[in-house]
Amino acid sequence: EAQVTQNPRYLITVTGKKLTVTCSQNMNHEYMSWYRQDPGLGLRQIYYSMNVEVTDKGDVPEGYKVSRKEKRNFPLILESPSPNQTSLYFCASSGQGSGNQPQHFGDGTRLSIL
Amino acid sequence: SQQGEEDPQALSIQEGENATMNCSYKTSINNLQWYRQNSGRGLVHLILIRSNEREKHSGRLRVTLDTSKKSSSLLITASRAADTASYFCATPTGANSKLTFGKGITLSVRP
Repeated sequence: EAQVTQNPRYLITVTGKKLTVTCSQNMNHEYMSWYRQDPGLGLRQIYYSMNVEVTDKGDVPEGYKVSRKEKRNFPLILESPSPNQTSLYFCASSGQGSGNQPQHFGDGTRLSIL
Repeated sequence: SQQGEEDPQALSIQEGENATMNCSYKTSINNLQWYRQNSGRGLVHLILIRSNEREKHSGRLRVTLDTSKKSSSLLITASRAADTASYFCATPTGANSKLTFGKGITLSVRP
């Protein structure tokens, strides 16, 4: 089954404790992206990757890091999480030409930073 | 930056009625996409309509695109309680054609 898998689904942690949210897709997609979703603000892109070893900032990259060492994986790293990063996070993937292709989303990771 | 804006923000209808949701956008596009999000879940792609298409159907969904008015509509016919969800339009923006999403419409279908 074609899918985007995120882990963990839920995480409560404390300020400053480094964490990684993993994302994996099994569709051989070139394009992968991370979004955060906040009430009243909609879906905002954090980082995206056009292909292996190619990453770039989205609209709200501050406080986040990503890497794309393999085509299927695109982890999101919070080196020193802060309460304003409490949010619902989604990973997505699509074929080449991201804006012209349907995006496939994971089920989301709900992060709470205390 | 906000590209697509949906209207209304919230819609409540009775099961069996049709639901119409609208999306307006600002700049020229080569396609527009609609997504659905059930509560607490990821977005699911519904339909993509290209700029040279005026109307597209998928099951009970009908999407129209008017590039002269920079607007699109999503019609769900004979709605069901299971259609209760948030609906988003998305358009490609920027040099890398990333998808930019609107803030969504909350649809409630009463049984």
